[in-house]
Amino acid sequence: QKEVEQDPGPLSVPEGAIVSLNCTYSNSAFQYFMWYRQYSRKGPELLMYTYSSGNKEDGRFTAQVDKSSKYISLFIRDSQPSDSATYLCAMSGGSSNTGKLIFGQGTTLQVKP
Amino acid sequence: GAGVSQSPRYKVAKRGQDVALRCDPISGHVSLFWYQQALGQGPEFLTYFQNEAQLDKSGLPSDRFFAERPEGSVSTLKIQRTQQEDSAVYLCASSLRDRGNTGELFFGEGSRLTVL
Repeated sequence: QKEVEQDPGPLSVPEGAIVSLNCTYSNSAFQYFMWYRQYSRKGPELLMYTYSSGNKEDGRFTAQVDKSSKYISLFIRDSQPSDSATYLCAMSGGSSNTGKLIFGQGTTLQVKP
Repeated sequence: GAGVSQSPRYKVAKRGQDVALRCDPISGHVSLFWYQQALGQGPEFLTYFQNEAQLDKSGLPSDRFFAERPEGSVSTLKIQRTQQEDSAVYLCASSLRDRGNTGELFFGEGSRLTVL
Protein backbone atom coordinates (compact mmCIF):
# COMPACT_ATOMS: atom_id res chain seq x y z
CA GLN A 1 0.00 0.00 0.00
CA LYS A 2 1.29 3.44 -0.93
CA GLU A 3 1.78 6.09 1.73
CA VAL A 4 -0.44 8.48 -0.22
CA GLU A 5 -3.48 7.36 -2.18
CA GLN A 6 -5.16 9.48 -4.83
CA ASP A 7 -7.83 8.53 -7.35
CA PRO A 8 -6.30 9.06 -10.80
CA GLY A 9 -9.64 9.85 -12.45
CA PRO A 10 -10.03 11.15 -15.07
CA LEU A 11 -12.57 13.62 -13.77
CA SER A 12 -14.61 15.57 -16.31
CA VAL A 13 -16.82 18.48 -15.28
CA PRO A 14 -18.64 21.33 -17.06
CA GLU A 15 -17.31 24.85 -16.81
CA GLY A 16 -18.49 26.56 -13.64
CA ALA A 17 -18.80 23.35 -11.60
CA ILE A 18 -17.33 22.88 -8.14
CA VAL A 19 -14.55 20.31 -8.22
CA SER A 20 -13.56 18.18 -5.25
CA LEU A 21 -10.22 16.38 -5.23
CA ASN A 22 -8.90 14.35 -2.34
CA CYS A 23 -6.13 12.16 -1.00
CA THR A 24 -5.76 9.78 1.90
CA TYR A 25 -2.52 8.93 3.63
CA SER A 26 -1.19 6.47 6.16
CA ASN A 27 1.82 8.21 7.75
CA SER A 28 0.69 10.11 10.84
CA ALA A 29 4.04 11.99 10.88
CA PHE A 30 3.03 14.09 7.90
CA GLN A 31 2.54 17.71 8.94
CA TYR A 32 2.80 19.68 5.71
CA PHE A 33 0.27 19.22 2.97
CA MET A 34 0.43 20.63 -0.51
CA TRP A 35 -1.43 20.61 -3.77
CA TYR A 36 0.48 20.93 -7.01
CA ARG A 37 -0.92 21.47 -10.49
CA GLN A 38 0.82 19.92 -13.47
CA TYR A 39 0.00 20.79 -17.05
CA SER A 40 0.88 18.33 -19.78
CA ARG A 41 4.65 18.14 -20.39
CA LYS A 42 5.36 20.70 -17.67
CA GLY A 43 6.72 20.50 -14.16
CA PRO A 44 4.41 20.64 -11.13
CA GLU A 45 3.65 24.09 -9.71
CA LEU A 46 2.55 24.78 -6.15
CA LEU A 47 -1.11 25.74 -5.68
CA MET A 48 -1.76 25.45 -1.97
CA TYR A 49 0.35 24.82 1.13
CA THR A 50 -1.14 23.93 4.52
CA TYR A 51 0.42 23.13 7.85
CA SER A 52 -1.39 20.63 10.09
CA SER A 53 -5.18 20.49 10.17
CA GLY A 54 -7.55 23.17 9.00
CA ASN A 55 -8.71 25.07 5.98
CA LYS A 56 -6.95 27.50 3.69
CA GLU A 57 -8.55 29.56 0.96
CA ASP A 58 -6.90 31.30 -1.98
CA GLY A 59 -9.22 32.74 -4.59
CA ARG A 60 -11.23 29.93 -6.15
CA PHE A 61 -9.19 27.27 -4.34
CA THR A 62 -9.78 25.87 -0.84
CA ALA A 63 -7.58 23.26 0.79
CA GLN A 64 -8.74 21.21 3.75
CA VAL A 65 -6.74 18.92 5.99
CA ASP A 66 -8.25 16.46 8.47
CA LYS A 67 -5.35 14.81 10.27
CA SER A 68 -7.63 12.71 12.46
CA SER A 69 -8.98 11.00 9.33
CA LYS A 70 -5.72 11.29 7.37
CA TYR A 71 -7.65 12.94 4.56
CA ILE A 72 -6.98 16.07 2.55
CA SER A 73 -9.10 17.84 -0.03
CA LEU A 74 -8.85 20.54 -2.65
CA PHE A 75 -11.97 22.36 -3.81
CA ILE A 76 -12.07 24.44 -6.96
CA ARG A 77 -15.01 26.81 -7.33
CA ASP A 78 -16.29 28.15 -10.65
CA SER A 79 -13.99 25.80 -12.55
CA GLN A 80 -12.54 27.06 -15.83
CA PRO A 81 -11.19 25.21 -18.89
CA SER A 82 -7.76 26.56 -17.92
CA ASP A 83 -8.02 24.46 -14.74
CA SER A 84 -7.73 21.33 -16.89
CA ALA A 85 -4.56 19.65 -15.62
CA THR A 86 -3.33 16.93 -13.31
CA TYR A 87 -3.59 17.76 -9.61
CA LEU A 88 -1.05 16.17 -7.30
CA CYS A 89 -1.30 16.07 -3.54
CA ALA A 90 2.03 16.01 -1.70
CA MET A 91 3.05 15.68 1.93
CA SER A 92 6.09 15.94 4.13
CA GLY A 93 6.99 15.80 7.77
CA GLY A 94 8.56 13.67 10.48
CA SER A 95 11.51 13.92 12.83
CA SER A 96 14.14 13.14 10.22
CA ASN A 97 12.47 15.07 7.47
CA THR A 98 14.71 16.51 4.79
CA GLY A 99 11.80 18.23 3.19
CA LYS A 100 11.27 15.57 0.59
CA LEU A 101 7.73 15.36 -0.63
CA ILE A 102 5.67 12.20 -0.99
CA PHE A 103 3.25 12.60 -3.88
CA GLY A 104 -0.04 10.98 -4.72
CA GLN A 105 -0.61 9.51 -8.16
CA GLY A 106 -2.36 12.62 -9.41
CA THR A 107 -5.94 13.21 -10.56
CA THR A 108 -6.50 14.29 -14.15
CA LEU A 109 -9.17 16.97 -14.41
CA GLN A 110 -10.88 18.14 -17.57
CA VAL A 111 -13.16 21.17 -17.47
CA LYS A 112 -15.36 21.32 -20.54
CA PRO A 113 -16.50 24.71 -21.91
CA GLY B 1 17.05 32.41 -15.92
CA ALA B 2 14.37 32.85 -13.32
CA GLY B 3 13.31 29.23 -13.04
CA VAL B 4 14.79 25.75 -12.74
CA SER B 5 16.33 24.73 -16.03
CA GLN B 6 16.77 21.13 -17.13
CA SER B 7 18.53 19.67 -20.12
CA PRO B 8 18.09 17.85 -22.33
CA ARG B 9 14.31 18.11 -22.45
CA TYR B 10 14.11 14.87 -24.40
CA LYS B 11 16.60 12.04 -24.56
CA VAL B 12 16.34 8.75 -26.44
CA ALA B 13 18.89 6.15 -25.43
CA LYS B 14 19.55 2.63 -26.56
CA ARG B 15 19.43 0.03 -23.85
CA GLY B 16 22.84 -0.17 -22.19
CA GLN B 17 23.86 3.41 -22.92
CA ASP B 18 24.84 5.86 -20.21
CA VAL B 19 22.93 9.14 -19.93
CA ALA B 20 23.51 12.37 -18.03
CA LEU B 21 20.74 14.79 -17.14
CA ARG B 22 21.52 18.32 -16.02
CA CYS B 23 19.69 20.59 -13.60
CA ASP B 24 20.37 24.28 -13.13
CA PRO B 25 18.44 25.38 -10.01
CA ILE B 26 17.26 28.83 -9.12
CA SER B 27 20.23 30.93 -8.07
CA GLY B 28 20.77 30.88 -4.31
CA HIS B 29 18.55 27.87 -3.67
CA VAL B 30 20.17 25.64 -1.11
CA SER B 31 18.07 22.50 -1.49
CA LEU B 32 17.90 20.45 -4.66
CA PHE B 33 15.80 17.36 -5.29
CA TRP B 34 15.57 14.83 -8.10
CA TYR B 35 12.31 13.02 -8.74
CA GLN B 36 11.31 10.31 -11.22
CA GLN B 37 7.84 10.46 -12.75
CA ALA B 38 6.58 7.45 -14.67
CA LEU B 39 3.70 7.85 -17.09
CA GLY B 40 0.44 8.38 -15.24
CA GLN B 41 2.11 8.43 -11.83
CA GLY B 42 3.10 11.05 -9.32
CA PRO B 43 6.74 12.07 -8.91
CA GLU B 44 8.81 9.70 -6.78
CA PHE B 45 11.73 10.95 -4.73
CA LEU B 46 15.21 9.95 -5.84
CA THR B 47 17.74 12.07 -3.97
CA TYR B 48 18.28 15.32 -2.05
CA PHE B 49 21.18 17.77 -1.83
CA GLN B 50 21.77 20.52 0.67
CA ASN B 51 24.34 22.66 -1.11
CA GLU B 52 26.96 20.16 -2.31
CA ALA B 53 26.15 17.51 0.29
CA GLN B 54 23.98 14.60 -0.77
CA LEU B 55 21.98 14.06 2.42
CA ASP B 56 19.46 11.52 1.19
CA LYS B 57 19.81 9.09 -1.69
CA SER B 58 17.34 6.55 -0.39
CA GLY B 59 15.15 6.80 -3.49
CA LEU B 60 17.78 5.90 -6.06
CA PRO B 61 16.47 2.63 -7.53
CA SER B 62 19.82 0.95 -8.12
CA ASP B 63 23.56 1.54 -8.14
CA ARG B 64 23.24 2.46 -11.81
CA PHE B 65 21.88 5.82 -10.68
CA PHE B 66 24.29 8.46 -9.47
CA ALA B 67 23.81 12.14 -8.71
CA GLU B 68 26.21 14.93 -7.89
CA ARG B 69 26.22 18.64 -7.15
CA PRO B 70 29.92 19.37 -6.74
CA GLU B 71 29.77 23.16 -6.29
CA GLY B 72 26.39 23.40 -4.67
CA SER B 73 24.60 24.75 -7.73
CA VAL B 74 24.27 22.71 -10.94
CA SER B 75 23.44 19.06 -10.46
CA THR B 76 23.80 16.06 -12.74
CA LEU B 77 21.87 12.81 -12.57
CA LYS B 78 23.69 10.00 -14.31
CA ILE B 79 22.18 6.68 -15.26
CA GLN B 80 24.54 3.94 -16.33
CA ARG B 81 23.64 0.99 -18.55
CA THR B 82 20.11 2.25 -19.08
CA GLN B 83 17.22 -0.22 -19.01
CA GLN B 84 13.73 0.10 -20.45
CA GLU B 85 12.28 0.52 -16.97
CA ASP B 86 14.33 3.71 -16.62
CA SER B 87 12.04 5.40 -19.17
CA ALA B 88 10.38 8.26 -17.31
CA VAL B 89 10.45 12.00 -16.81
CA TYR B 90 13.18 13.11 -14.45
CA LEU B 91 12.22 16.22 -12.55
CA CYS B 92 14.57 18.52 -10.70
CA ALA B 93 13.31 20.87 -7.99
CA SER B 94 14.97 23.46 -5.83
CA SER B 95 14.06 25.31 -2.68
CA LEU B 96 15.43 28.30 -0.82
CA ARG B 97 15.26 26.62 2.60
CA ASP B 98 18.13 24.52 3.85
CA ARG B 99 16.31 21.86 5.82
CA GLY B 100 12.99 20.33 6.59
CA ASN B 101 9.59 21.22 5.35
CA THR B 102 10.79 23.09 2.37
CA GLY B 103 7.21 23.11 1.15
CA GLU B 104 7.52 25.23 -1.91
CA LEU B 105 9.63 23.30 -4.33
CA PHE B 106 10.17 24.95 -7.70
CA PHE B 107 10.21 22.32 -10.40
CA GLY B 108 11.85 22.31 -13.79
CA GLU B 109 10.00 21.06 -16.84
CA GLY B 110 11.77 17.73 -16.65
CA SER B 111 13.95 15.58 -18.86
CA ARG B 112 11.95 12.90 -20.66
CA LEU B 113 14.06 9.77 -21.08
CA THR B 114 13.04 7.01 -23.45
CA VAL B 115 15.10 3.84 -23.46
CA LEU B 116 14.66 1.66 -26.53
